[in-house]
Amino acid sequence: NAGVTQTPKFQVLKTGQSMTLQCAQDMNHEYMSWYRQDPGMGLRLIHYSVGAGITDQGEVPNGYNVSRSTTEDFPLRLLSAAPSQTSVYFCASSYSFRISYNEQFFGPGTRLTVL
Amino acid sequence: TQLLEQSPQFLSIQEGENLTVYCNSSSVFSSLQWYRQEPGEGPVLLVTVVTGGEVKKLKRLTFQFGDARKDSSLHITAAQPGDTGLYLCAGVNTGTASKLTFGTGTRLQVTL
Repeated sequence: NAGVTQTPKFQVLKTGQSMTLQCAQDMNHEYMSWYRQDPGMGLRLIHYSVGAGITDQGEVPNGYNVSRSTTEDFPLRLLSAAPSQTSVYFCASSYSFRISYNEQFFGPGTRLTVL
Repeated sequence: TQLLEQSPQFLSIQEGENLTVYCNSSSVFSSLQWYRQEPGEGPVLLVTVVTGGEVKKLKRLTFQFGDARKDSSLHITAAQPGDTGLYLCAGVNTGTASKLTFGTGTRLQVTL
C-alpha cells in the first residue's frame, strides 16, 4: 500500500491564483481531513470528510474548498491564493470516524508559498 | 476554540539525558494522542492514552494522561539522536469522532 499520497510536494503561487492540492489514500479509509501547519501553532484542521459525498468545515476553512466524490480522493482547492495561506498542508486519513481514538495516517505534505 | 499548550517549545539536549514534555489544556478530552514528526514528513502516531491516570510505556518513552484528562506528559529516558524531531500532542473529543485538536509542538534535538 502507498498509504496517503499528496501532490505536489512544493508549489509557489502568485496572489490571486487558484490551485488544487491532491490527496489520495489506498487503505479504504472512511475519514479524510486537511490540516495546515504553521510555526508555533501545531496543525489546524481546515476541512474533513466522513465519507464520499460528505464534507464539513474545520477550524480554519475560509479560502478553501473540498469535495469527496470517491472514497480514495480528497482534493483541497485554493480559490484565490493569499500570502496568509503560505503554509505546509497535510492530508490525513483514518479507518472510521466512529472510533474517536483510531490512528490517523498523514501524507508527506505540500509546502505552499504565496507571493 | 480548545487549546493545547506544549512546553517547552524547544529542547536541545545531549545523548543520554532524560527529558519531559508537557501538554496542557483547560478542556477535557476523551483521549489524547502523541505524534512525532520528522523534517519533510507527516506526523506519525506514537501512542493513544484513553483513561484518566493511564500510563503507557514504549521502550524508553513513557506517556501519562492526567487524572482529569486535561493534560499529558511524555518522558524520554536516555535520549538518543534518533529521538530528534517535533513532538505533537493531539486531543480527541467524544462526539467529534476523528477530529483532532493539536498542541503547539515541542521541537527536540538530541546531539552526540
